[in-house]
Amino acid sequence: GQQVMQIPQYQHVQEGEDFTTYCNSSTTLSNIQWYKQRPGGHPVFLIQLVKSGEVKKQKRLTFQFGEAKKNSSLHITATQTTDVGTYFCAGVDLGGYQKVTFGTGTKLQVIP
Amino acid sequence: GAGVSQSPSNKVTEKGKDVELRCDPISGHTALYWYRQSLGQGLEFLIYFQGNSAPDKSGLPSDRFSAERTGGSVSTLTIQRTQQEDSAVYLCASSLVGGMLPQPQHFGDGTRLSIL
Repeated sequence: GQQVMQIPQYQHVQEGEDFTTYCNSSTTLSNIQWYKQRPGGHPVFLIQLVKSGEVKKQKRLTFQFGEAKKNSSLHITATQTTDVGTYFCAGVDLGGYQKVTFGTGTKLQVIP
Repeated sequence: GAGVSQSPSNKVTEKGKDVELRCDPISGHTALYWYRQSLGQGLEFLIYFQGNSAPDKSGLPSDRFSAERTGGSVSTLTIQRTQQEDSAVYLCASSLVGGMLPQPQHFGDGTRLSIL
C-alpha cells in the first residue's frame, strides 16, 4: 500500500532560524495536504496542493509540491515559538477512492 | 458551527473490559476516519468510511477492534478485551467528499484511553 514518509522525524531550532520538513510518497499523488498538531491538540488543516510544481505561501510558511507529484516540502522562515508542534503531510494516490494517507510527521521544537 | 465531537474525552478501564468510543462528525460530511495516536507518535490509520461504500478496515490492528457507522453519520469504535497496548488517544476526523479531490479533514479532540 501507499507509504508516506517525512524527514526529519524531530528538529530543534533556535528561534529565528529556518526549518524545512520533507514529505516523500511511495506512489504518485493526486494532491497533498499539510496539517499542524500543537502539543496536546489535534491536527489542524493548513493547506492543500494540487498541481505539479505548485508553490503556495502562508506568511512565513512556504509549501511546495514536487514536479513528479511524489514529494512535498514545508519551509518555515524565521521560526517563532508559536511554530512548535508536529507537522504532517497527507496525500491521496492516483486511483485511490479519496482515502488520505498521513505521513509520519516532523516534530518541531523552537528554542527561545 | 459544530465541529467533530468525540465522547468520552477520557476513558480509564481495566484490562479485559470492552470499550466503545463515539464520534459525531460534522453534518453533511460523508467521509469519516478513525486514527490512533500513541504518546509522541504519529497518526495510525484504523478505518475509513466513505458514503455507502464498504469501509476500508485495513488499519484495524486485530479482530478485537471493530467500527460501525450508522445512517452515514455517527460512528462507534469498539475495542473488545482491551489490552494495555491499546492505551492511546483515538482521533476521529470527517470531511466532505466532492469532485475529484479529498477535502480537508476536521478532527475531534479525541478520546484518551487508558488501560490499567
